[in-house]
Amino acid sequence: DAGITQSPRHKVTETGTPVTLRCHQTENHRYMYWYRQDPGHGLRLIHYSYGVKDTDKGEVSDGYSVSRSKTEDFLLTLESATSSQTSVYFCAISESMAGDGNQPQHFGDGTRLSIL
Amino acid sequence: SQQGEEDPQALSIQEGENATMNCSYKTSINNLQWYRQNSGRGLVHLILIRSNEREKHSGRLRVTLDTSKKSSSLLITASRAADTASYFCAADYNTDKLIFGTGTRLQVFP
Repeated sequence: DAGITQSPRHKVTETGTPVTLRCHQTENHRYMYWYRQDPGHGLRLIHYSYGVKDTDKGEVSDGYSVSRSKTEDFLLTLESATSSQTSVYFCAISESMAGDGNQPQHFGDGTRLSIL
Repeated sequence: SQQGEEDPQALSIQEGENATMNCSYKTSINNLQWYRQNSGRGLVHLILIRSNEREKHSGRLRVTLDTSKKSSSLLITASRAADTASYFCAADYNTDKLIFGTGTRLQVFP
């Protein structure tokens, strides 16, 4: 298995509180992604990173921010959590970006986040 | 949205039977990828098929790609109870992002 660790694995918090999820990789892959998974929607891309301090928005980025200060760490922050952000969040890594090299993505085991 | 569709949404079979899942996508692709997700776990990459390939095998897995119909199929032969999982296709539309389908839930009964 690719060396990807997500923390925490489970979190319950209240509406309006800030939440930060962490993704740590030991593979030295350049590209990192944050997805959310909801019933009926599959995986949807929130933000991604193509290098240290280089990030871009995905399909569902509103209400989320990210930071990448080191190759191995990619943080996802919900500045003021809302109930609609209750979901399972997955981090993924890859050696190349989609459309540029035929490399798959490798996923962590997810963070189950509940916002009450 | 470029999200593809998978069918069936759910599939139940007996051990030893074959399971076929289909994926349709929207526009031309660079490649099409298949992933498996066990309950409570992350996605695991199974097979990547490039746009110029028509068929690819990996153990008991066979993937086909028909670019004229914008569709792909994943065949699992001689299914086992351990194959019980959700299966997702993901399209690389050459736009720096993968677009995932909504998945097929496969249940294999012993």
